[in-house]
Amino acid sequence: AQSVTQLDSQVPVFEEAPVELRCNYSSSVSVYLFWYVQYPNQGLQLLLKYLSGSTLVESINGFEAEFNKSQTSFHLRKPSVHISDTAEYFCAVTGRSNDYKLSFGAGTTVTVRA
Amino acid sequence: DAEITQSPRHKITETGRQVTLACHQTWNHNNMFWYRQDLGHGLRLIHYSYGVHDTNKGEVSDGYSVSRSNTEDLPLTLESAASSQTSVYFCASSDSGGSDEQYFGPGTRLTVT
Repeated sequence: AQSVTQLDSQVPVFEEAPVELRCNYSSSVSVYLFWYVQYPNQGLQLLLKYLSGSTLVESINGFEAEFNKSQTSFHLRKPSVHISDTAEYFCAVTGRSNDYKLSFGAGTTVTVRA
Repeated sequence: DAEITQSPRHKITETGRQVTLACHQTWNHNNMFWYRQDLGHGLRLIHYSYGVHDTNKGEVSDGYSVSRSNTEDLPLTLESAASSQTSVYFCASSDSGGSDEQYFGPGTRLTVT
């Protein structure tokens, strides 16, 4: 079984400032890792995912995450945030097997202020 | 465009009543999932299905049931609603691979009084 810990429940940040959301996972097998975003009153949308290969993965809207196997982490970063990045962000993990279930962290609420 | 829909979007019911939440996807995905979202807990898996007539219990399945009679639908039934089941419920679907993303519905906000 896998589990995820998101180390920050709320992150306030000013517009155009950088942000980092921390995610650590636990698993006895190799994993796939995901970041999902939930805008207010909406369902979750995939932001980016790590499957294999390069440990740095990027999204189309400027977010990036780095897979660190030795530290079992998958932190999410953005160098300059916008008001529209205000949302809840979830880190999720699944084992590389025939098990397609995702285990989610508790979420990090990012509030971007002008 | 393919999509995943949930109905109703909002529901208020009384303790002890049976409630069914609908989930319909047009992605033709084999995998479907039901989660509940509660503050401080993120999303927790209730039930899931990997194909027609296949259903499995997740980590918080007590008091809930599902059935899968076709590819498109996975209704979630609360047999006898309890106040502890007040939550936001999300349905999701994915293709057959573990690396495939899950596509989420808009959610159903359920209040049990």
